[in-house]
Amino acid sequence: SAVISQKPSRDICQRGTSLTIQCQVDSQVTMMFWYRQQPGQSLTLIATANQGSEATYESGFVIDKFPISRPNLTFSTLTVSNMSPEDSSIYLCSVDLSTDTQYFGPGTRLTVL
Amino acid sequence: GENVEQHPSTLSVQEGDSAVIKCTYSDSASNYFPWYKQELGKRPQLIIDIRSNVGEKKDQRIAVTLNKTAKHFSLHITETQPEDSAVYFCAASKRTGNQFYFGTGTSLTVIP
Repeated sequence: SAVISQKPSRDICQRGTSLTIQCQVDSQVTMMFWYRQQPGQSLTLIATANQGSEATYESGFVIDKFPISRPNLTFSTLTVSNMSPEDSSIYLCSVDLSTDTQYFGPGTRLTVL
Repeated sequence: GENVEQHPSTLSVQEGDSAVIKCTYSDSASNYFPWYKQELGKRPQLIIDIRSNVGEKKDQRIAVTLNKTAKHFSLHITETQPEDSAVYFCAASKRTGNQFYFGTGTSLTVIP
């Protein structure tokens, strides 16, 4: 497995502001993913963070709202832009260690007031 | 795209009994099926997985079965213990691109 960390672990934000979430892995990984998990719900894939190219977004998620960076093979950021209370959720990054399996970071709990 | 359905949404069992959670998927190209356990306030943790070239896999008290023809797979937990209480998620993916599609989750409660 890998050691995956996320910052911040939680935050409370005002509507209309933006928050950038960081995901750091202790080894180089080919693929990193960002998920959203709303309270009591399942995990929904937001996008695949591709190193050296633009992220690939799932239906219902757009780059203007969730810009993603992947500057190298160990790091990615997800920004939640122009936040509204509906964006309150847990945001998780995950990594694929080239074994088909994904391992998750600890998550960032976001509350938007 | 892939659609993964999971049943039941909640499950209560007496300690020592068995628990079974079932998932179905829609895309016949899916070939990798992991199961995750998520305790309250924690990240999902992989507990077992199965690939499409295998019908069954076992790891101590946990087993997973796969029926490719029927497009369903199941998680079996035997001799349940209170620490098995958690939300369990199934997922399906194709190896290429490795996008995971998750089921809706099953909240398992093991009653001491």
